[in-house]
Amino acid sequence: QKEVEQNSGPLSVPEGAIASLNCTYSDRGSQSFFWYRQYSGKSPELIMSIYSNGDKEDGRFTAQLNKASQYVSLLIRDSQPSDSATYLCAVSIYGQNFVFGPGTRLSVLP
Amino acid sequence: DAGVIQSPRHEVTEMGQEVTLRCKPISGHNSLFWYRQTMMRGLELLIYFNNNVPIDDSGMPEDRFSAKMPNASFSTLKIQPSEPRDSAVYFCASSVTGPSYEQYFGPGTRLTVT
Repeated sequence: QKEVEQNSGPLSVPEGAIASLNCTYSDRGSQSFFWYRQYSGKSPELIMSIYSNGDKEDGRFTAQLNKASQYVSLLIRDSQPSDSATYLCAVSIYGQNFVFGPGTRLSVLP
Repeated sequence: DAGVIQSPRHEVTEMGQEVTLRCKPISGHNSLFWYRQTMMRGLELLIYFNNNVPIDDSGMPEDRFSAKMPNASFSTLKIQPSEPRDSAVYFCASSVTGPSYEQYFGPGTRLTVT
């Protein structure tokens, strides 16, 4: 059974701080990793995708992947209240067998 | 560019009625996914299509659920008969096969079965 695990939160950080979101997965054959942001009552929105070990940066967001540890994380620098949302980690094998984690609720306090 | 389009956005129906949800993927995308999201179970993949062919329907909860993709620009998810436990938000997502496999979600259909 493929599983993706995340801390449900809520994770509370002050405005301007770094928010760190973590995700572990069970299937070693997983090839593609994604972070989605979902505001309450809205659909998931793709933030980052990562496929190789290491870091990938896009603006205030950095995704980190460690396939040996089966671990992927998302760092949000200079957190803003508008970043308050649920963050979903998703894992797939070549675009198939997409599995989403339960999500981590992030609250950025002004 | 238009994103994934879903209709209706909200559906309220009585138990036992047939429900049909519709999805138009992003033009040029050849994979389409149907998901269901509830507070208890999170986001669950129900079925996905590649080039209009169903590839994996193992997430479809039971025979009351069926999905079709008659062409590259249209898909339906049908529930017949509907039950209160089917109440959820149903999302459709689409992607291009390889190399990124990034999925883009529609706005969802909020289904309430009374």
